[in-house]
Amino acid sequence: DVVMTQSPLSLPVTLGQPASISCRSSQSLVHSNGNIYLAWFQQRPGQSPRRLIYKLSDRDSGVPDRFSGSGSGTDFTLKISRVEAEDAGIYYCMQGIHWPPTFGQGTKVEIK
Amino acid sequence: EVQLVESGGGLVQPGGTLRLSCAASGFTFRSYWMSWVRQAPGTGLEWVANINPDGSEKYSVPSVRGRFTISRDNAKDSLYLQMNSLRAEDTAVYFCARDPGFGAVDWWGRGTLVTVSS
Repeated sequence: DVVMTQSPLSLPVTLGQPASISCRSSQSLVHSNGNIYLAWFQQRPGQSPRRLIYKLSDRDSGVPDRFSGSGSGTDFTLKISRVEAEDAGIYYCMQGIHWPPTFGQGTKVEIK
Repeated sequence: EVQLVESGGGLVQPGGTLRLSCAASGFTFRSYWMSWVRQAPGTGLEWVANINPDGSEKYSVPSVRGRFTISRDNAKDSLYLQMNSLRAEDTAVYFCARDPGFGAVDWWGRGTLVTVSS
């Protein structure tokens, strides 16, 4: 299985400051069609995961533009330009190009 | 609005069986791949199985293969997970999710808790 490794696993952030989460895959996530099938999910306490980003950098409808995704074949980043209180939760990266789809361990974002 | 509502979870003894259901609404169910993803208490997310729109293709992870069966009824807009020979390590919240392709599930249900314990 493709291993997805996130860092850091815990990220204390100050309101209004930027935040960045790294995700690395053990294999390339570049499809022959040129797309990179890397997604990011947010899971708030007691809630189901919510997709934020798909195909590396496409933002889902309703997701604030302070969230952005970037990266290359095996190294990826989720950035929050200015953290707000509602951004607290656990963030997961996920690859969908190799079966089975696999998730990172999760990064817990805590507001200081 | 897309809604996915799971049911069927509960407490079961090791070796027992459960059948999870997921009722879908707000979208054309028969047009989408559907998936089950689970989350053990206090841990991360694990893919379990998925199924193509007409039910002719099914995939599951090795840890559940031969024990769990995914199925769907497009006439009822419903997804199922038949779980046999349950083990303690199957204890988790099971989420039903819509999969538009390449695993990038875009809608999730609230989940149903399965607890395997004697």
